[in-house]
Amino acid sequence: SQQGEEDPQALSIQEGENATMNCSYKTSINNLQWYRQNSGRGLVHLILIRSNEREKHSGRLRVTLDTSKKSSSLLITASRAADTASYFCATLTLIYSGAGSYQLTFGKGTKLSVIP
Amino acid sequence: AAGVIQSPRHLIKEKRETATLKCYPIPRHDTVYWYQQGPGQDPQFLISFYEKMQSDKGSIPDRFSAQQFSDYHSELNMSSLELGDSALYFCASSDGTGPDTQYFGPGTRLTVL
Repeated sequence: SQQGEEDPQALSIQEGENATMNCSYKTSINNLQWYRQNSGRGLVHLILIRSNEREKHSGRLRVTLDTSKKSSSLLITASRAADTASYFCATLTLIYSGAGSYQLTFGKGTKLSVIP
Repeated sequence: AAGVIQSPRHLIKEKRETATLKCYPIPRHDTVYWYQQGPGQDPQFLISFYEKMQSDKGSIPDRFSAQQFSDYHSELNMSSLELGDSALYFCASSDGTGPDTQYFGPGTRLTVL
């Protein structure tokens, strides 16, 4: 089973609307991060929320985390055409005690299209 | 600010050839991670190193090997390349004292013909 599964897989909205993407995971985590990737390009870190946090804001981004449901959501408000990209959630988990032993596991991503 | 550097950015190889990808972490970062992202797929963790020692292993094929050198740069060696190895390979680095955020490089796009 997949850690960090996002839904929807694809989302198409009009410019100015809000976009909400959800992510579910299966194991306990240290933190959950959201990344953005333009087609075939690099991964850009957007925002990180720790396991003891419930909500975090950064500009037009709002992330929530519900550890009891093992789920997170990313809300992009007032979307722009430039927000068109794939969005991945990734969970950071401690594999074993010791430095360098954290593992980042990505979900399958949501492909967001913002139509001008 | 300095970022993670990967080279080459693009690489084309034939089946059964070998390839070496290089990663130069952010200065003072001592932990390096490698990820593979197939077409339309999510990034998959391959392997990580801390202070030149392998610290964790993910879904890395036996045909692949990697190491971290004394200057903390890392190389991913891929042998007997297969068509399915065509992917984007990301390297990320972090400060071993604070694993919260891994900083990703731009990736190397490997195409196996």
